[in-house]
Amino acid sequence: EADIYQTPRYLVIGTGKKITLECSQTMGHDKMYWYQQDPGMELHLIHYSYGVNSTEKGDLSSESTVSRIRTEHFPLTLESARPSHTSQYLCASREGWNQPQHFGDGTRLSIL
Amino acid sequence: DQQVKQNSPSLSVQEGRISILNCDYTNSMFDYFLWYKKYPAEGPTFLISISSIKDKNEDGRFTVFLNKSAKHLSLHIVPSQPGDSAVYFCAASAGSGGYQKVTFGIGTKLQVIP
Repeated sequence: EADIYQTPRYLVIGTGKKITLECSQTMGHDKMYWYQQDPGMELHLIHYSYGVNSTEKGDLSSESTVSRIRTEHFPLTLESARPSHTSQYLCASREGWNQPQHFGDGTRLSIL
Repeated sequence: DQQVKQNSPSLSVQEGRISILNCDYTNSMFDYFLWYKKYPAEGPTFLISISSIKDKNEDGRFTVFLNKSAKHLSLHIVPSQPGDSAVYFCAASAGSGGYQKVTFGIGTKLQVIP
């Protein structure tokens, strides 16, 4: 089993709040990813990182930001949550190119 | 513009029979393909993969077939079991080094009926 953890699993919060979604992995993977997925839709990449101090935006425009200060930790932050941010957020990591990604169980975020 | 398409949103199969899940892609640069399984309230779990240099890869009850000329990928599950009931995502990636993008399909929900 992959060792990648996301917290919280579920979050319901009001508009305008600052939110941080946590993602940690214990496999020592350099490559980490954040995806956003709405019901019945494909996973959309919103951020990725190749290693410490490396972060890049993905294909889907997102108002979130990420940081990578430690290899094992890749948090995602929304400075001011809006209802349009309601979605499922999935974190993943992998060892190298042409290797499968290991996913966390996701955070289901609802902004009221 | 979906580059990875799973045209069947759902599939029902009797226990013990074969399940065949299909996936089509449009980007000829894709060279690595994967299948993931997802249970409700969990993240996707890697199932099986195949490189573009092969046309078949087998792992236990799961076999992935790749037809590059048709840009078609399929996952065969034999025999199907009730525990296989889940959403199956097809994914594809291109290139190596730099940023290797992984593109996912929207998934096919498989129900295996006991």
